[in-house]
Amino acid sequence: AQRVTQPEKLLSVFKGAPVELKCNYSYSGSPELFWYVQYSRQRLQLLLRHISRESIKGFTADLNKGETSFHLKKPFAQEEDSAMYYCAPEGNNDMRFGAGTRLTVKP
Amino acid sequence: ETGVTQTPRHLVMGMTNKKSLKCEQHLGHNAMYWYKQSAKKPLELMFVYSLEERVENNSVPSRFSPECPNSSHLFLHLHTLQPEDSALYLCASSRGLAGGLESGELFFGEGSRLTVL
Repeated sequence: AQRVTQPEKLLSVFKGAPVELKCNYSYSGSPELFWYVQYSRQRLQLLLRHISRESIKGFTADLNKGETSFHLKKPFAQEEDSAMYYCAPEGNNDMRFGAGTRLTVKP
Repeated sequence: ETGVTQTPRHLVMGMTNKKSLKCEQHLGHNAMYWYKQSAKKPLELMFVYSLEERVENNSVPSRFSPECPNSSHLFLHLHTLQPEDSALYLCASSRGLAGGLESGELFFGEGSRLTVL
């Protein structure tokens, strides 16, 4: 069955500390992988996608096909990074979302 | 208006009512989606439409009935709902169908907050 797991519901770090949001997936085939973010009182929006291999707002995500993981990382967290983050593998005809991780960056 | 627009933003209905949620996208996209976001559950994919044809129905109860009259509009018709159906219903669109060559990212609306009494 298609499954995506974000093991941490809540993650809290201090400003300037590194942050890693974990995502593991179980999908048939080779899904395209995305991270979406929802800031307070804003709509859900794309943060980055694996195929672009870009760094967005200082975030990167590495695909590890052997471990079927797509963890999101940022070396120095900022307060404005506080938000809900969703990992989303894109399969055939659908895009399923993980349960999400709420990141809080404390001053 | 640009992007994905959902109306109404808030809806309160009784279990015997019939209501509809509307979604409109002005992005020229060919695929549209309904998701359900409950407080204690992950985002649940409900329906997927591509070029006005339904391509995915994730075991959604028949009291939810989608309609896609054209590629810019998507409706979710609601009938005899249950209190556990109270949730935020999100509409999204993408250039092409997820998993396809032209899929692209999903663009979301702000959602319709539904309360079933």
